[in-house]
This record gives sequence, C-alpha cells and structure tokens, in this order.
Amino acid sequence: DAKTTQPPSMDCAEGRAANLPCNHSTISGNEYVYWYRQIHSQGPQYIIHGLKNNETNEMASLIITEDRKSSTLILPHATLRDTAVYYCIVPNDMRFGAGTRLTVKP
Amino acid sequence: KAGVTQTPRYLIKTRGQQVTLSCSPISGHRSVSWYQQTPGQGLQFLFEYFSETQRNKGNFPGRFSGRQFSNSRSEMNVSTLELGDSALYLCASSFRGHRTDTQYFGPGTRLTVL
Repeated sequence: DAKTTQPPSMDCAEGRAANLPCNHSTISGNEYVYWYRQIHSQGPQYIIHGLKNNETNEMASLIITEDRKSSTLILPHATLRDTAVYYCIVPNDMRFGAGTRLTVKP
Repeated sequence: KAGVTQTPRYLIKTRGQQVTLSCSPISGHRSVSWYQQTPGQGLQFLFEYFSETQRNKGNFPGRFSGRQFSNSRSEMNVSTLELGDSALYLCASSFRGHRTDTQYFGPGTRLTVL
C-alpha cells in the first residue's frame, strides 16, 4: 500500500486559499488519491479524489503532480468552518494517517 | 438519500462487559467498513464486510467481531471490554468497497469503558 505524508498542522487566514500538501511517492499507477476531512469528533467527510488529472468540485480543487508522487488540496476561500483535520489517502484498504490539522483564523 | 446512520451515538460500559454497535449504510451500498479512532492511535481499520462476508480485517484481537446482514446493515461486537477500548467507532459504507469507490462515514458511536 502506498503511504502518505502530510504536515501535522497548518494555519490559514479566513478568506484566503488553504493549500494542503500530501506526499505519496510510492503510489502505483492505478491508485487514486482521496481527501477527507474530519471536524472535531464527527465522522470523516469526503472532499474529493483523483487519479491523474486535476479535479475540482464545489468544495475544493485537487492538484496532482505529473509524476503522481504528490498532490495538493486547495480550499479556495477558507472559512472558519473549514477548521478540521484533513486526511490524504491512497486507499487499498483505507488506512488513515495522522492527517493535517488546519486551523482557519479570523 | 439518507446518510450512514449509527446507533447508539453514545454508550457507557464497564470492564468485562460486551457491546454491540449498529450501522445502517446508505441505500444501495453493499460494503461496510468499521474503524476505531482514539487520540493516541488515530483512525484504525477494523474490518470490512461485503455481501455478508468479511473481506478485509485489520490488526485487532479476536474480541472485536462483526457481521453483515442481507440488507447490508452491519453490527460490530466487542467482548470482554477493556479500558483501552474507549474510542469513537466509525462505520463507512460504499457501493462495492472497491478502491475507486468513495466511502461515506457515519457520525460514530462514542464508547466509554469504565
């Protein structure tokens, strides 16, 4: 299984873009990158996923490097409600790492 | 569509007791996975059921077991509870449990063992 590496914490000013990096250098060719977030003591919430191409939905954008060894989740205009732990996963059996604790500050 | 539901939401038990937690997946989803989340260990995979069969299992002792019914609803059981079993137990459902399927999580059951 590919492993992921994320910074343990990040801060972002409200209204600015939050860019959350993830390293998945051992990813294989057919493995997707998934992003989830977990707001305190709630179940993780699906955000976005991708294979090769950049993806965008109503919540976020996902930028995957050409070699697929890393990706960046972008929250274009972060709000206080985006404060959460963000998990980057390359699932074969959905093993979660420690994630990045994003704090959006006013 | 209704989301994943878990019951009960909160539970308090004492050491040595057993507990059963329930999970109802999103309608049409056939795969249910269970996770344990503790402050020290983070989110850890327990097991996954698909079409009433356990398909994957994490590294947990045999005290942790589960089953899935024909309607895809799932239960997990923990016997001989220990203090360290205090955790948030999450279930997630997906259509097939395939690695390209998105998992949708329930709100969790908070178990406290005294």
